[in-house]
Amino acid sequence: AQKVTQAQTEISVVEKEDVTLDCVYETRDTTYYLFWYKQPPSGELVFLIRRNSFDEQNEISGRYSWNFQKSTSSFNFTITASQVVDSAVYFCALSVLNDMRFGAGTRLTVKP
Amino acid sequence: DSGVTQTPKHLITATGQRVTLRCSPRSGDLSVYWYQQSLDQGLQFLIQYYNGEERAKGNILERFSAQQFPDLHSELNLSSLELGDSALYFCASSVGDGTTGFFGPGTRLTVL
Repeated sequence: AQKVTQAQTEISVVEKEDVTLDCVYETRDTTYYLFWYKQPPSGELVFLIRRNSFDEQNEISGRYSWNFQKSTSSFNFTITASQVVDSAVYFCALSVLNDMRFGAGTRLTVKP
Repeated sequence: DSGVTQTPKHLITATGQRVTLRCSPRSGDLSVYWYQQSLDQGLQFLIQYYNGEERAKGNILERFSAQQFPDLHSELNLSSLELGDSALYFCASSVGDGTTGFFGPGTRLTVL
């Protein structure tokens, strides 16, 4: 069975600090997709990134970067120079054959 | 804006009633996925349709049903509503029979 663990329930940082959100996943399948979503207070789920299991290249998009390591079954998300607008709940998700499982989410609060 | 639309945004109803939630996928997407987000269960996959056919089922109750119409929009029907059905219901779509990426804004259902 698939499982996603986001051990950090809540994180609070001060603006301009870097912050890393951890995600550990479990699956026996060799083909899968990993996702990160942002859920701001307004409630919508904003797609951030999708990674397939065969692509371990790390990715950087502006202040966001993702570190995918199959050896440790982790897909961590780093926000560099955090801003107040980054305050949200962030979800990591794992998808295997259309069965998508979400982690419990990490609530990030960025204080000015 | 993800391109996935959902109506209504908010729905308030009473226990025992039946409601229908509607989702229109992004242009060109053939798959529609339904998810439920509740405080105690987190984000859960309910069901997927691909080009009009049911493709995958998650933790969907028997009181719930869905369908996808020829124009590819989908409806999620919730009947004999209980207080515990109060949640945010999301729809997502994707091009193929693969993985979800983009979510709609959600329908917030409140059962009183």
